[in-house]
Amino acid sequence: DAKTTQPNSMESNEEEPVHLPCNHSTISGTDYIHWYRQLPSQGPEYVIHGLTSNVNNRMASLAIAEDRKSSTLILHRATLRDAAVYYCILRDPNAGGTSYGKLTFGQGTILTVHP
Amino acid sequence: SQTIHQWPATLVQPVGSPLSLECTVEGTSNPNLYWYRQAAGRGLQLLFYSVGIGQISSEVPQNLSASRPQDRQFILSSKKLLLSDSGFYLCAWSVTSSYNEQFFGPGTRLTVL
Repeated sequence: DAKTTQPNSMESNEEEPVHLPCNHSTISGTDYIHWYRQLPSQGPEYVIHGLTSNVNNRMASLAIAEDRKSSTLILHRATLRDAAVYYCILRDPNAGGTSYGKLTFGQGTILTVHP
Repeated sequence: SQTIHQWPATLVQPVGSPLSLECTVEGTSNPNLYWYRQAAGRGLQLLFYSVGIGQISSEVPQNLSASRPQDRQFILSSKKLLLSDSGFYLCAWSVTSSYNEQFFGPGTRLTVL
């Protein structure tokens, strides 16, 4: 799987937007960009994913660079409940064999939200 | 709606004792099932995945084994626990498509003493 690079930690204030960056310079043409987050003492939860176009859902927005070598997860108004570790993951839907469906988690970005 | 259950939530076991963690999924059929482990301060590592009953694939060599006796049941086992088996164990499921999102259970925190 292609590798992603994220900052170890970021901080934000409540009610402010948060932009979480992810670099993936070795991304292949068929890799989807997935974001998951893990709240303390819980399992990860899916946030959003995309391929080339920017994506929006009820949780966040995903902005993908034109060359696809980087992306940014945008939380429009951070709340205290958004404090979590955010993981940026590349997944190839055409991958078979032992990589089928596998999520490869890196260290992620620890987001701290201040009241 | 689909739900995923794991038990127990926490477990403290002595070195050399056996282990059995159970995961069940409700509200879906023929899911892909996964076992992950998260050591303290580290990211998640995929241990096993299963695409059907009795079909288990191991991602890393280790002291653990997995079984899928029923369509929506996934069990993680060990005959003799090691100190290094301590961690947060997470079960996940996804529909049978490699790029669909995975849904994680609440996890089991295992401490081996």
